[in-house]
Amino acid sequence: EVQLVESGGGLVQPGGSLRLSCEASGFTFGNSWMHWVRQAPGKGLVWVAYIHTDGSFTTYADSVRGRFTISRDNAKSTLYLQMHSLRAEDSAVYYCATSILRGQGTLVTVSS
Amino acid sequence: EIVLTQSPGTLSLSPGESATLSCRASQSVAKNYLAWYQQKPGQAPRLLIYDASNRATGTPDRFSGSGSGTDFILTISRLEPEDFAVYYCQQYAGSPLTFGPGTKVDIK
Repeated sequence: EVQLVESGGGLVQPGGSLRLSCEASGFTFGNSWMHWVRQAPGKGLVWVAYIHTDGSFTTYADSVRGRFTISRDNAKSTLYLQMHSLRAEDSAVYYCATSILRGQGTLVTVSS
Repeated sequence: EIVLTQSPGTLSLSPGESATLSCRASQSVAKNYLAWYQQKPGQAPRLLIYDASNRATGTPDRFSGSGSGTDFILTISRLEPEDFAVYYCQQYAGSPLTFGPGTKVDIK
């Protein structure tokens, strides 16, 4: 069974940084394209970033480009999202996904 | 980018009734790579249907997905009390992943 377990969320001040992790199991992680998706409180689901199987190619939503970095460690079956210069509007539950959401997410709150 | 539109925005029904939710794409969704999720307050989205018509593990058979190309339907044949929630469609045929704005099914 595919399992994705996100962690690393928390409360951070505006301008701060945070690193999210997503541990994958139940499938061949190294062969899978991976994404981060987020959902702000009371809002819909929005794609954030994508990474190719070997990490050679990444793309980002305009709202996070230049501030967020997606990466992966295929040996550890783990996906990461490094977030810098965080803003209040980045507050959301962050989900990792293959092409389909399967995790429980991790909550990021940006507030002073 | 494939834009998904869901209708109606809200569906008010009684337990036992059937629900028909629509998801329309701005361009054809290749290989019918479309999923449906159910989300309840405070919970993560739960995958119900993938590849437009395949039930995910644990999805009751009262949920069915259909459609192809640009028009997709989620049908709930007999609403149970636990089915009142928000439903999202999502395409994973093209990059970026995109989601519909959701349909809320509430109790009439």
